[in-house]
Amino acid sequence: DAGVTQSPTHLIKTRGQQVTLRCSPKSGHDTVSWYQQALGQGPQFIFQYYEEEERQRDNFPDRFSGHQFPNYSSELNVNALLLGDSALYLCASGSGYEQYFGPGTRLTVT
Amino acid sequence: ILNVEQSPQSLHVQEGDSTNFTCSFPSSNFYALHWYRWETAKSPEALFVMTLNGDEKKKGRISATLNTKEGYSYLYIKGSQPEDSATYLCAFRTGGGADGLTFGKGTHLIIQP
Repeated sequence: DAGVTQSPTHLIKTRGQQVTLRCSPKSGHDTVSWYQQALGQGPQFIFQYYEEEERQRDNFPDRFSGHQFPNYSSELNVNALLLGDSALYLCASGSGYEQYFGPGTRLTVT
Repeated sequence: ILNVEQSPQSLHVQEGDSTNFTCSFPSSNFYALHWYRWETAKSPEALFVMTLNGDEKKKGRISATLNTKEGYSYLYIKGSQPEDSATYLCAFRTGGGADGLTFGKGTHLIIQP
């Protein structure tokens, strides 16, 4: 089992551009959550997907959107990038109490 | 707004010594408390999920306790080794399975040979 995988590993974008990050959950998991970790902070919950629907969302602007596919993989899209969107984006998949994380995608906005 | 606090922020420990650090969280609407070990450039590794007041869990030299009534959890490392160097994160979860984790900022542990 490959665990939770994310792509790409690193990404550099310019202000105003759009970005798509991808996540494949651990085998057997049907729930995917996305987190943003800014420098010096703990990861912050963005939203969660279950059965291809956004189930819960924290206080992030509408520029952040997502999608879950029938195979449970997920995408995080960020539009109109700002410098402050530079962060590590983590994906987690879960079953019951467990939450397993991928290694993250490092996004740098210049 | 949920607030999860971890202390200390960083810790230098001599190899062979034992250490512990703290996670404090809201004592209401508790669902679960997670501990993760995170090395740079790797995925956060799940150490423990704790759900019941008074829970004590152990994994090798690492153990954790949980007090949901007063809202704190301790993580203990016995006989620290250089490979224990990492950031240790705790995360609080409310309600049911739809809720995301609320993380602390972590404790950065450095084991000095």
